[in-house]
Amino acid sequence: DSGVTQTPKHLITATGQRVTLRCSPRSGDLSVYWYQQSLDQGLQFLIQYYNGEERAKGNILERFSAQQFPDLHSELNLSSLELGDSALYFCASSARLASEQYFGPGTRLTVT
Amino acid sequence: QKEVEQDPGPLSVPEGAIVSLNCTYSNSAFQYFMWYRQYSRKGPELLMYTYSSGNKEDGRFTAQVDKSSKYISLFIRDSQPSDSATYLCAMRKDSNYQLIWGAGTKLIIKP
Repeated sequence: DSGVTQTPKHLITATGQRVTLRCSPRSGDLSVYWYQQSLDQGLQFLIQYYNGEERAKGNILERFSAQQFPDLHSELNLSSLELGDSALYFCASSARLASEQYFGPGTRLTVT
Repeated sequence: QKEVEQDPGPLSVPEGAIVSLNCTYSNSAFQYFMWYRQYSRKGPELLMYTYSSGNKEDGRFTAQVDKSSKYISLFIRDSQPSDSATYLCAMRKDSNYQLIWGAGTKLIIKP
């Protein structure tokens, strides 16, 4: 158990809908990262927050947004969902900006 | 060309064999190198974290970095069926926080 928690574990929704994924980092970690992993694909970095501020952006679609709250938990919002958004979404956290990342168990999103 | 190349496998070996997993990279600025293990549909788990060149050992696992060849390796000794997983390499520059990931190698250890 890495100490990173993600909810929900599974999410099934329809095209065009909006969902929110939640992540709580390890105790004491200030940085949160979001990744997308499609079936049998590698990890795609989406976005990083550090102590509430956005620090790095990867291949995140404009339909996706994220934020990190004062208690350091983070939410990833996915809107106007498409079938191709079906994937595993992982959150990771690290103590500092560039230290090793620890991953949560992921949220499996299925868009029908 | 991708910055980090990793053979996707699958790599199938008998139990007890020594496994060698590898990644090559193109950017000489990478300084930090990591290996993660991912079981099917689970979150990646950090196995090894090394800085610059050299070897690092942890139990049955040895990570090796050869910066002159832009090549990193993960060796697994006395491989077990429980080692069957996808192994991902990741690396970053000293001045950049973002990790660059390999595609992952699927490893199968046959009993």
